[in-house]
Amino acid sequence: DSGVTQTPKHLITATGQRVTLRCSPRSGDLSVYWYQQSLDQGLQFLIQYYNGEERAKGNILERFSAQQFPDLHSELNLSSLELGDSALYFCASSASGGYEKLFFGSGTQLSVL
Amino acid sequence: AQSVTQLGSHVSVSEGALVLLRCNYSSSVPPYLFWYVQYPNQGLQLLLKYTTGATLVKGINGFEAEFKKSETSFHLTKPSAHMSDAAEYFCAVSENQAGTALIFGKGTTLSVSS
Repeated sequence: DSGVTQTPKHLITATGQRVTLRCSPRSGDLSVYWYQQSLDQGLQFLIQYYNGEERAKGNILERFSAQQFPDLHSELNLSSLELGDSALYFCASSASGGYEKLFFGSGTQLSVL
Repeated sequence: AQSVTQLGSHVSVSEGALVLLRCNYSSSVPPYLFWYVQYPNQGLQLLLKYTTGATLVKGINGFEAEFKKSETSFHLTKPSAHMSDAAEYFCAVSENQAGTALIFGKGTTLSVSS
């Protein structure tokens, strides 16, 4: 158990809908990272937050947004969903804003039908 | 910009055989390099990392990797494969500076046969 909790584990929705994925980092970790894993694209970095502030941004679509709250949990919001958004979304956390070691959650499997 | 190339999306070995998973990277500054493993239905776990210092790094489960700057490589090896090593392995690179990301390769699936 990595200590990173992601909910829900599975999510099935329809095109055009909006969903929210939630991540609770390990106790004491200040940084949260979101990754999207799909068969064709592999593991793509989306965005990183550190202590509530956006730290780094990757290939995150404009339809997607994220935030980190004062209690350090994070949410990834996906809107106007398309079939191609179906993927496994991982959250990871680390103690600092660097990449010394990331702890990954088990992921949220999103299926857009 | 950083990038990672993992040669071979699928590697098959027999139990007891040498495991060699290849990774080449591109980075404009001295890189931080990582290998992560993903078992079915689980998140990624750190196997080992290179930041500075000794270029041969040892990780968990008997894996090791060597940073070769001249070859821009960070190949992962294990002398003797075990059935439990079957998983997907990801090489990753980071410049470990604020505002940069940890970039993963596309992964290599390791199969181990008895």
